[in-house]
Amino acid sequence: QKEVEQDPGPLSVPEGAIVSLNCTYSNSAFQYFMWYRQYSRKGPELLMYTYSSGNKEDGRFTAQVDKSSKYISLFIRDSQPSDSATYLCAMSGSSGGSYIPTFGRGTSLIVHP
Amino acid sequence: NAGVTQTPKFQVLKTGQSMTLQCAQDMNHNSMYWYRQDPGMGLRLIYYSASEGTTDKGEVPNGYNVSRLNKREFSLRLESAAPSQTSVYFCASSDNIQYFGAGTRLSVL
Repeated sequence: QKEVEQDPGPLSVPEGAIVSLNCTYSNSAFQYFMWYRQYSRKGPELLMYTYSSGNKEDGRFTAQVDKSSKYISLFIRDSQPSDSATYLCAMSGSSGGSYIPTFGRGTSLIVHP
Repeated sequence: NAGVTQTPKFQVLKTGQSMTLQCAQDMNHNSMYWYRQDPGMGLRLIYYSASEGTTDKGEVPNGYNVSRLNKREFSLRLESAAPSQTSVYFCASSDNIQYFGAGTRLSVL
């Protein structure tokens, strides 16, 4: 079993839909949970992160962490064609002072007008 | 703030040539990283530097060397490029959260 599992998609939704992107993990030592957005031919851009468990909201984006189920989610409300990208989840915990994250493979999202 | 800056953005090499990819960060982060990203493989860690003066191997270090020149700069060197090193290379820096550069697209013919 991979340490972080993420469905590669593609996930295709109509504009305005609520999008749910998810990752599962196996390492209970993870403390930081991140979501990155990567447009084609660009670098990963940090969208949001949470420390430990709980929810975090930023505009149309909400990140949730359920440590008991080892499951994290990113919700996008009122999705737009400009949200079309690959979304990477990442998780980390302290290892000798360096937080080396473990990344999911990414989910490709397509929002069509 | 520029964040993480990588140069060059694109490079074409012939097999056996050498080159150095440069990375600089202005966020005063202690840790810096080099990844490669290939289709279907996700991000794979090549080397990292937890702090100035230290470097460690990641998942795929063979064929690469790194230098942590100072706190700001972390370079990746290919001594004798091979076609298998054709990839997109990303540098990142972090406190607890990683921030990435725009990437270098490398083709080895």
